[in-house]
Amino acid sequence: QVQLVESGGGVVQPGRSLRLSCAASGFTFSSYGMHWVRQAPGKGLEWVAVIWYDGSNKYYADSVKGRFTISRDNSKNTLYLQMNSLRAEDTAVYYCAREGGGPYEAENWFDPWGQGTLVTVSS
Amino acid sequence: SYVLTQPPSVSVAPGQTARITCGGNNIGSKSVHWYQQKPGQAPVLVVYDDSDRPSGIPERFSGSNSGNTATLTISRVEAGDEADYYCQVWDSSSDHPDVVFGGGTKLTVL
Repeated sequence: QVQLVESGGGVVQPGRSLRLSCAASGFTFSSYGMHWVRQAPGKGLEWVAVIWYDGSNKYYADSVKGRFTISRDNSKNTLYLQMNSLRAEDTAVYYCAREGGGPYEAENWFDPWGQGTLVTVSS
Repeated sequence: SYVLTQPPSVSVAPGQTARITCGGNNIGSKSVHWYQQKPGQAPVLVVYDDSDRPSGIPERFSGSNSGNTATLTISRVEAGDEADYYCQVWDSSSDHPDVVFGGGTKLTVL
């Protein structure tokens, strides 16, 4: 079955960096766009970034543009989120999610989602 | 930027019908997707493209979208439907596509 497993979360000081990973299985990873979505404690969902199936396009939320970088390694079936210059307001559970619809499609829904990894930015 | 507005909370008795709205400027021209999130769990897609249901989602879940309001309707509400619900669209009004989520609605089953 389709599975997404995030890792790499933890406690980090403000201004430092962290890299999240999302291991995908159960589908042809290289054929699907992938997203990062975050959720601050007790808050709603906030989209972070998307990368097209082939890495040709990447888009970011204004709140992370210039600090976060989304990437993928299709040979390893893995999605990444490099987070630099972290701030307290970046504290959240970070989910990876697959682009919905068929292979090579874009701008659809998110399905499925991983279980999330918690990032805490604190001194 | 595009804004989606949801009521913070909706309450309904078991067996009744819950309607959760998602308001946005001319949202009827966009495709709206809905997610259910139970405490401590990841979101789950319950309706996509305004009114389609993924496999495994009960027929009790349905959606509609017209004008400035999209609606998720849950018929014959059960205790297990208690959760937060989020609507989502793509917005291409800026120089790049953007994903927008509504603020979420907490469904309470009385």
